Amino acid sequence: AQSVTQLDSQVPVFEEAPVELRCNYSSSVSVYLFWYVQYPNQGLQLLLKYLSGSTLVKGINGFEAEFNKSQTSFHLRKPSVHISDTAEYFCAVILSGGYQKVTFGTGTKLQVIP
Amino acid sequence: NAGVMQNPRHLVRRRGQEARLRCSPMKGHSHVYWYRQLPEEGLKFMVYLQKENIIDESGMPKERFSAEFPKEGPSILRIQQVVRGDSAAYFCASSPSGGEDTQYFGPGTRLTVL
Repeated sequence: AQSVTQLDSQVPVFEEAPVELRCNYSSSVSVYLFWYVQYPNQGLQLLLKYLSGSTLVKGINGFEAEFNKSQTSFHLRKPSVHISDTAEYFCAVILSGGYQKVTFGTGTKLQVIP
Repeated sequence: NAGVMQNPRHLVRRRGQEARLRCSPMKGHSHVYWYRQLPEEGLKFMVYLQKENIIDESGMPKERFSAEFPKEGPSILRIQQVVRGDSAAYFCASSPSGGEDTQYFGPGTRLTVL
């Protein structure tokens, strides 16, 4: 079975500073990888996804993530954060070739400090 | 094109009552997924349905929980004889097909059991 680990439960960062949210996964087969964002009291919104091809994936709101197969990681980055980026971020995987039984990480709360 | 709709957004029940959560997928989507988010935790898969069929209910508690997605109308997640531990946010997602299609999430129903 696949699993997702987000080691950082909370990440405080000053406005306009860069940020990296870490995600590692475990799976015996190929996976598709996703990052979702959840604003307070709202549902999840897809930031970006990796299915195949280029390992550097660009998403909405200036976020990007890099798939590293050897390190089984899919870290999320943004070069300069804004107050509006304050939210919870979830990394997720599904097995490639299978249907979407999504496995989510436990989430990382990004707190942007003015 | 309206997004995934869930209602009610907030639901309060007393122990022993029944809770019915409704999800209307995006237009043209025939695949529905239910997830539960307990406080301070990530989302956990509960059940995957297509029209009139349950494809995977491996994440559903064995008792008191049931789900359906009839030919006409929304998908329903039903919790009988609710207990305090059922208090959580329940999210529905939909996709046009299975596989790696992006899942689009609704705003969630926050169930509080008194």
